[in-house]
Amino acid sequence: NAGVTQTPKFQVLKTGQSMTLQCAQDMNHNSMYWYRQDPGMGLRLIYYSASEGTTDKGEVPNGYNVSRLNKREFSLRLESAAPSQTSVYFCASSAIITDTQYFGPGTRLTVL
Amino acid sequence: AQKVTQAQTEISVVEKEDVTLDCVYETRDTTYYLFWYKQPPSGELVFLIRRNSFDEQNEISGRYSWNFQKSTSSFNFTITASQVVDSAVYFCALSEANNAGGTSYGKLTFGQGTILTVHP
Repeated sequence: NAGVTQTPKFQVLKTGQSMTLQCAQDMNHNSMYWYRQDPGMGLRLIYYSASEGTTDKGEVPNGYNVSRLNKREFSLRLESAAPSQTSVYFCASSAIITDTQYFGPGTRLTVL
Repeated sequence: AQKVTQAQTEISVVEKEDVTLDCVYETRDTTYYLFWYKQPPSGELVFLIRRNSFDEQNEISGRYSWNFQKSTSSFNFTITASQVVDSAVYFCALSEANNAGGTSYGKLTFGQGTILTVHP
């Protein structure tokens, strides 16, 4: 039982490049989330998916897109990376949207 | 809008000291959940506790205890007899549970975190 897994663990991009962060959970959870963590700012919600087939914006959605591929997988895409998107990205899942969220190990992204 | 404030940016203690991490929250909802997460130096986020707004009983789990007071909108976390392994960043978080058209339904709002360093 791996819980929430994220790939890659580290990534360096140049400004303007695109990439997709992958997230998968094996807990049969309905809800999934993407957060970013910046120094001194805690975690901020980018997008979330309350259930398969739905996605909604969080607090800081600009510059990102998401896809809930199926119940297990929720990906985050940066179409044209900017230095302001340098951050640690966490994926999380919960059984339902008000339940406890369990987090993946994070992806450290640097945009030069 | 909901808000979580952890006023203590950093705390430094010596092993075996007790330490309390403060958390104050704001919400207009009557039904909500409060959480504490631990982020050790390795970087992962570890769930510690979840409380709902109707349950003000204090909780104790080993050396950890939590004091929830609705009157002061606080959900403080105490570590008794701290150990070096307790060194981490601790986050308090809030989610609203009333799906009555509110925009914060189910979303976790985190505080800025408190960096706890326990010295041997």
